[in-house]
Amino acid sequence: DIQLTQSPSSLSASVGDRVTITCRASEDINNYVNWYQQKPGKAPKLLIYEASNMETGIPSRFSGGASGTDFTFTISTLQPEDVGTYYCQQYRNLPITFGQGTRLEIK
Amino acid sequence: QVQLQESGPRLVKPSETLSLTCTVSGGSISGHYWSWIRQPPGKGLEWIGYVFYSGNTYYNPSLKGRAGLLVDSSRSQFSLRLYSVTAADTAFYYCARHFTATMFDHWGQGILVTVS
Repeated sequence: DIQLTQSPSSLSASVGDRVTITCRASEDINNYVNWYQQKPGKAPKLLIYEASNMETGIPSRFSGGASGTDFTFTISTLQPEDVGTYYCQQYRNLPITFGQGTRLEIK
Repeated sequence: QVQLQESGPRLVKPSETLSLTCTVSGGSISGHYWSWIRQPPGKGLEWIGYVFYSGNTYYNPSLKGRAGLLVDSSRSQFSLRLYSVTAADTAFYYCARHFTATMFDHWGQGILVTVS
């Protein structure tokens, strides 16, 4: 199975900050990575697909990038409603796997 | 707007079978992959597997052959059976549309199933 390792596991930032989460794949996954946001008590929501493409209706402050087996998810200007846990997911090989999640809190 | 809704028993005894159904509305089951994903309380996400609208399936080997997925296009439903459950199977279970077998673009609200 392809392992996805997210860092950090948790972070606390202030409103207006730029926040970046990294997802490292255990092998080449050809940019076949998606990012999800999960708010407490809710289902995950797709934000970014194929590493850098924004899902319809997602605010432009969210973005994704890739460099080799490292993938980044960035919030350019953190808003209070961005609190939650963020997951990366790969679909290069079956079984589909997720990162362990990054919990984002507001200071 | 496509909507998914999980249903089924919320309490299952150890060694018995967990059975859940996902009802799809606002869109067709045809042409899509449909997945189940679970999340133990306070933990991360685990993909269980998918069923294609034609009935083809793929299961995560981590389930060691205990999962069964079916689709019923006439009812716009797909279902999960998980056999010989233990306490480790206690989790929120989500159904999701697995768009072109790449991304999960629509999710149900999730259902907590407790094995006890």
